[in-house]
Amino acid sequence: GAGVSQTPSNKVTEKGKYVELRCDPISGHTALYWYRQSLGQGPEFLIYFQGTGAADDSGLPNDRFFAVRPEGSVSTLKIQRTERGDSAVYLCASSLGAAPETQYFGPGTRLLVL
Amino acid sequence: GIQVEQSPPDLILQEGANSTLRCNFSDSVNNLQWFHQNPWGQLINLFYIPSGTKQNGRLSATTVATERYSLLYISSSQTTDSGVYFCAGQVYGGSQGNLIFGKGTKLSVKP
Repeated sequence: GAGVSQTPSNKVTEKGKYVELRCDPISGHTALYWYRQSLGQGPEFLIYFQGTGAADDSGLPNDRFFAVRPEGSVSTLKIQRTERGDSAVYLCASSLGAAPETQYFGPGTRLLVL
Repeated sequence: GIQVEQSPPDLILQEGANSTLRCNFSDSVNNLQWFHQNPWGQLINLFYIPSGTKQNGRLSATTVATERYSLLYISSSQTTDSGVYFCAGQVYGGSQGNLIFGKGTKLSVKP
């Protein structure tokens, strides 16, 4: 079946602009996760949704970052007033049930802030 | 503190060789998982292994939770095994969705 998909695959923006990154989880998966991966590092947790609600948003670095999952399926990560330090690969994962569960990752969105 | 440490950071193997990757984790981490990130960036979950031993083909993993370490064994390595191997754990008392990743072991398998 279809895996986790993320769009766009690449995004180039200018400092100060607003960006939205989209994640489509595996159908039927109730939990969804966002991570950020910088070059040469492991993924860094951002936020975890169980259904429509954010069960844990402790990884969001500051109030410029926000994520929603209004219908419990697709999620959007929103970044306001982007900074060059936001450049990274943003990974989305989903799992069938509530954590702890095997997480299935999407291919990521590579964000470059100029 | 919350720590997940992996060794070695880099590993070069000749095709057909065996290898062992290690992950040490602190007291505040549990529910170990192993992932493979291929050269194109795709992360694949290999094992969810909070304790004990699991095997899947040429790969196997063992976690000794009481001693705070996990091992990933790769036997008869192939060039397609190349990439970065991450271990990750969840924080005790946290939401259980918050995975803490190590820095990874970069494996290169030469033909």
